[in-house]
Amino acid sequence: NAGVTQTPKFRILKIGQSMTLQCTQDMNHNYMYWYRQDPGMGLKLIYYSVGAGITDKGEVPNGYNVSRSTTEDFPLRLELAAPSQTSVYFCASSKTGELFFGEGSRLTVL
Amino acid sequence: DAKTTQPPSMDCAEGRAANLPCNHSTISGNEYVYWYRQIHSQGPQYIIHGLKNNETNEMASLIITEDRKSSTLILPHATLRDTAVYYCIAGQGTGANNLFFGTGTRLTVIP
Repeated sequence: NAGVTQTPKFRILKIGQSMTLQCTQDMNHNYMYWYRQDPGMGLKLIYYSVGAGITDKGEVPNGYNVSRSTTEDFPLRLELAAPSQTSVYFCASSKTGELFFGEGSRLTVL
Repeated sequence: DAKTTQPPSMDCAEGRAANLPCNHSTISGNEYVYWYRQIHSQGPQYIIHGLKNNETNEMASLIITEDRKSSTLILPHATLRDTAVYYCIAGQGTGANNLFFGTGTRLTVIP
């Protein structure tokens, strides 16, 4: 049982480039989330989804977009990467409240 | 949405009980208390949650005060592998966007 899988694990981007962080879960969870964690800080919610076709903004959505075409996948799109988006990104899913997290994607924007 | 307050750091001797406090004085009646931990830079790991009653599982115990304004996570016999950042969160859980992860408590288990 793979749980929540994130790719890539590491990525370096140049300012202005775009990329998509992939997240997939095989637990048939309706709820999925994207968080970012800056060094020494807690996690901040970027976007979340309560089911396929439904997404909503979290605490820090600017500079990001998401889609949820299937129950399993919840990709996070970064448009026009900026140094402020250097962070570790965590995807999570849940069914009844307990969050299951992926291993994280470390993104550096130079 | 209820926010929580935790001490930034704590130490605990290996083999002793680790008691991690959390204040959530603005918690509402339908909000649960969740505990997660994050080891190094891994994704956070769920530990336990509760609403009113004390809870226990194979990892830890959760003691919630009667007024629900604070709680304590207890690791009964701390090991070096329990060294991590522990997050206390108050929220509705399922499908919620209000699970606010603060900076947590950095627990260091000392040999």
